[in-house]
Parts: sequence; structure tokens; C-alpha cells
Amino acid sequence: KAGVTQTPRYLIKTRGQQVTLSCSPISGHRSVSWYQQTPGQGLQFLFEYFSETQRNKGNFPGRFSGRQFSNSRSEMNVSTLELGDSALYLCASSKGLAGVGTSTDTQYFGPGTRLTVL
Amino acid sequence: AQSVAQPEDQVNVAEGNPLTVKCTYSVSGNPYLFWYVQYPNRGLQFLLKYITGDNLVKGSYGFEAEFNKSQTSFHLKKPSALVSDSALYFCAVSSSGGYQKVTFGTGTKLQVIP
Repeated sequence: KAGVTQTPRYLIKTRGQQVTLSCSPISGHRSVSWYQQTPGQGLQFLFEYFSETQRNKGNFPGRFSGRQFSNSRSEMNVSTLELGDSALYLCASSKGLAGVGTSTDTQYFGPGTRLTVL
Repeated sequence: AQSVAQPEDQVNVAEGNPLTVKCTYSVSGNPYLFWYVQYPNRGLQFLLKYITGDNLVKGSYGFEAEFNKSQTSFHLKKPSALVSDSALYFCAVSSSGGYQKVTFGTGTKLQVIP
């Protein structure tokens, strides 16, 4: 089956701009989670959407927002970009909520979007 | 607040030897625990998770992890290391209470020496 896809794979933006990243989950998966990975801060949870509703949220400012559509595809938006937003943004999908689910439910990650803010 | 500690930035082990990657956690409520692996220039891959039940969890690629409630640990183990196991390993936790968000450790680089 097709895996989790993320577009675009690479982005270069300048400070103050905004950006939208897209994530298409595995067919049948209703949960999409977003993570930020940087060398300094490591892997940080942004938010999780399940059935078009934000179910969980990490400790990021309001500049980071997201949404999920009825087909479970999700977008993440970052407004007023800062240099510190440069990172690898990963999304992951699962059938149930990522933090719960059953012992056999697996979270699958996409390849990520590399965002560079100049 | 929940947290995860991976006390070793890097673990070196000889090929064929058993390996252990350590993880301890702090969380309110019952913990849900996860291990992920990230290979160079590749995305993150799920290895295994503990939700409830048997304290020994078996996962992908021959890895297993043991949940120890009294020591609040969830160490990752493999009986015989392969060179191809060399990668970055992340432990993560969420809980049965609150928002159930997932918190990751800082990662441990595993180097398997031929």
C-alpha cells in the first residue's frame, strides 16, 4: 500500500513569510500527527488531528496551525516565519490516536519536508 | 509535565553482541511507551510500543523492549546486533490522562562495529 506522502520535500522561505505543508496519510488512517525535528531541540510534537478535529497539541506558538480534511489529508501552516523555524517537519498517520490505539496499531511516518528560513 | 530521558547520546556495540538502549520516563497516569528508529537520510520508523499487558514487547527487526513500572524504564534490546542496526533511536511517551500528546527523548545514536 502507498505510504505517507509529504509535499513539498524541500522549501526555502524568507523571514516573515508563511508556508503551508501537506501530508497525505495511508488510506484508512484517520489520525495525522505533525512533528518538528531540529538538531538543537530534537523531535517535538506539534499537533494531532483525528477525524478533522485537533485532538492533541504540543507547546508551539499560535503561528503554527493545522487542519485536516474529510479525506484525512492534513495541512500545517506556519505564519510569520522565523529563522528558528528551519527544521525537518514530519507527519505520521495511524488508524487510531497515535498515543493510544491498540497494541497492534502502528504509526507510519512520511519522509518529511525540509524547511529552510533565510 | 511528562518527560523522557535517554541518558546515552551514543552507544557502541560489536556486531553479534547484545545491545541495550536505555530510556526512562516520567508521566502522570498510565504510560504509553514507544520506540522509533531513524536511519541516515530516511524517515522515522516505528519499532514497537507498550500500551498495556505483557511487560516484554516484541517489535520489528528483532527488537524488544521491557516495561519496568517500578524503575519507570523502557529499555530497548536486541540479542545480537547487526551493522545495519546502526541508526538514531528515539524513545517516546504519552499517557492515559490529559491530552495524550507524545513526548520524545533526545535520541541515542547506535553504532554497531563490524
